[in-house]
Amino acid sequence: GESVGLHLPTLSVQEGDNSIINCAYSNSASDYFIWYKQESGKGPQFIIDIRSNMDKRQGQRVTVLLNKTVKHLSLQIAATQPGDSAVYFCAENPGGTSYGKLTFGQGTILTVHP
Amino acid sequence: EPEVTQTPSHQVTQMGQEVILRCVPISNHLYFYWYRQILGQKVEFLVSFYNNEISEKSEIFDDQFSVERPDGSNFTLKIRSTKLEDSAMYFCASQNRGFRETQYFGPGTRLLVL
Repeated sequence: GESVGLHLPTLSVQEGDNSIINCAYSNSASDYFIWYKQESGKGPQFIIDIRSNMDKRQGQRVTVLLNKTVKHLSLQIAATQPGDSAVYFCAENPGGTSYGKLTFGQGTILTVHP
Repeated sequence: EPEVTQTPSHQVTQMGQEVILRCVPISNHLYFYWYRQILGQKVEFLVSFYNNEISEKSEIFDDQFSVERPDGSNFTLKIRSTKLEDSAMYFCASQNRGFRETQYFGPGTRLLVL
């Protein structure tokens, strides 16, 4: 079946470095992508989203890049801080008749060392 | 800032018992969801709900599961006869204008079936 998956399960960085978290998706019909942050014991927290008619979107310290040719999504975090340590999930909305259902990837654990 | 709330935060039950998980979505939101996350795994879609009816459900959402919006503010997930494998974190999410908009997640209910 089609799924969303992540290349790297863990990522360790030093405080102040830039972080890049990657995600591959297989459903070429997906038209909406979201990055969520999940801290231990909490629900997924929205970070940034992007629609399939865009290839880049910037937020505060975060940038999402979408490459539809290779079905790849990335989250860039600038000047990573210890508070950014969490599990990061990409999620996709498959479009079509899927209504709002989100398909989540496995998650990447980001650890930021002071 | 408005947020999705869920009660209880933790629920322990015996196999075969019924449980009701409660959610209060963000007040002006129209689309509602339940997801679950088994420990250490990715978030999985269960069901979406709009205009007082189920829009879509996953294979997980069998006859033992039901959802209801009894009073215009609460959104509940009922599991009629719990099984050991129902042990998971259950997240409610709500969404404002349409299926391609941000879904905001609650903090979750941790369900443990013994």
